[in-house]
Amino acid sequence: DAGITQSPRHKVTETGTPVTLRCHQTENHRYMYWYRQDPGHGLRLIHYSYGVKDTDKGEVSDGYSVSRSKTEDFLLTLESATSSQTSVYFCAIIKSLKSEAFFGQGTRLTVV
Amino acid sequence: AQKITQTQPGMFVQEKEAVTLDCTYDTSDQSYGLFWYKQPSSGEMIFLIYQGSYDEQNATEGRYSLNFQKARKSANLVISASQLGDSAMYFCAMRGLTQGGSEKLVFGKGTKLTVNP
Repeated sequence: DAGITQSPRHKVTETGTPVTLRCHQTENHRYMYWYRQDPGHGLRLIHYSYGVKDTDKGEVSDGYSVSRSKTEDFLLTLESATSSQTSVYFCAIIKSLKSEAFFGQGTRLTVV
Repeated sequence: AQKITQTQPGMFVQEKEAVTLDCTYDTSDQSYGLFWYKQPSSGEMIFLIYQGSYDEQNATEGRYSLNFQKARKSANLVISASQLGDSAMYFCAMRGLTQGGSEKLVFGKGTKLTVNP
């Protein structure tokens, strides 16, 4: 157990509303990632962080922003949710250079 | 940029038989890592096996082995003696470096494996 918790686990929201997803880790690992999973696309990287206040964009970052003010928390914000952002969102951490990534349980977001 | 290609959207195998799931990758990095993950219908991501680019031997973990052919840039997953519980989505992934020197994981689109009794 890598101590990763995502919240909420499920959310339904309306188009145009802001949404924030939270990823919390208990082990002070440096690297944290947000992915979205969609059928036929696998997991695609949205944003990642390599330290407090150090973040960068992934391949599908449009419409998303992130913040990391503490080592243990990595927040993903949809400023104005759209139906195309309906997806399952996974947070992940990498513990060390040769370590695998550990994933949270996922958040299923539906934008109606 | 790193890229992972999984060309088999779906695979079927009989229980107790072996199956190979294909994965090819593209990277200009000299040092990288290759991973396989299993995602059952319950949704969690389960790490299966890891291969480092400088590892000379193919990785093995129980019934899972990784057929690593560096020159061909392939990292196929072999599951021996398939079980019904192996039915799931399988993702190949590669860890590489961003332009800024950070680590990132890139995933393929996945292969859905169905094990028939």
